Amino acid sequence: DSGVTQTPKHLITATGQRVTLRCSPRSGDLSVYWYQQSLDQGLQFLIHYYNGEERAKGNILERFSAQQFPDLHSELNLSSLELGDSALYFCASSSAGTRGEQYFGPGTRLTVT
Amino acid sequence: GNSVTQMEGPVTLSEEAFLTINCTYTATGYPSLFWYVQYPGEGLQLLLKATKADDKGSNKGFEATYRKETTSFHLEKGSVQVSDSAVYFCALGSWGGSEKLVFGKGTKLTVNP
Repeated sequence: DSGVTQTPKHLITATGQRVTLRCSPRSGDLSVYWYQQSLDQGLQFLIHYYNGEERAKGNILERFSAQQFPDLHSELNLSSLELGDSALYFCASSSAGTRGEQYFGPGTRLTVT
Repeated sequence: GNSVTQMEGPVTLSEEAFLTINCTYTATGYPSLFWYVQYPGEGLQLLLKATKADDKGSNKGFEATYRKETTSFHLEKGSVQVSDSAVYFCALGSWGGSEKLVFGKGTKLTVNP
């Protein structure tokens, strides 16, 4: 158990809908990262938050957004969903000074029908 | 930009065989290097890491050495077990802005009894 929790574990929704994925980092970790894992693209970095502030963006679509709250949990919002958004979405957290060492949650499997 | 190239799988071995999974990287500066493992239906687990040249990371019988001269971080294990069957990801971590991870495409390992 990494200490990172994600909910829900599975999500099935229709095209055009909006969903919210939730992540709670390990106790004490200020950084939260979101990654997307798909068969064709592999593991892709989406976005990084540090203590409530956006630190970096990767290959994140404009239909996607995220935020980190004062209690450090984070949410990833996916809107106007398309079939191609079906993937595993992972959250990871890290503490300062660990030179990139990240701990991953179990993931949320999103299926868009 | 930073990138990781990992040997294509799948790799199938018999129990007690020697394992090597090749990983090379392209990066500016002095990145950290990681191997993560993903068991079926689970999230990614940090297997081992190395933060500077000539460092050797090791865990659970797996080893990898950070070779700056050849920009490589090959994963090895002397005697694999059926329980090692999983997907292995080589990853590169950079910092000085965002400590995001850049992943290779993953190598699926199957160990037969």
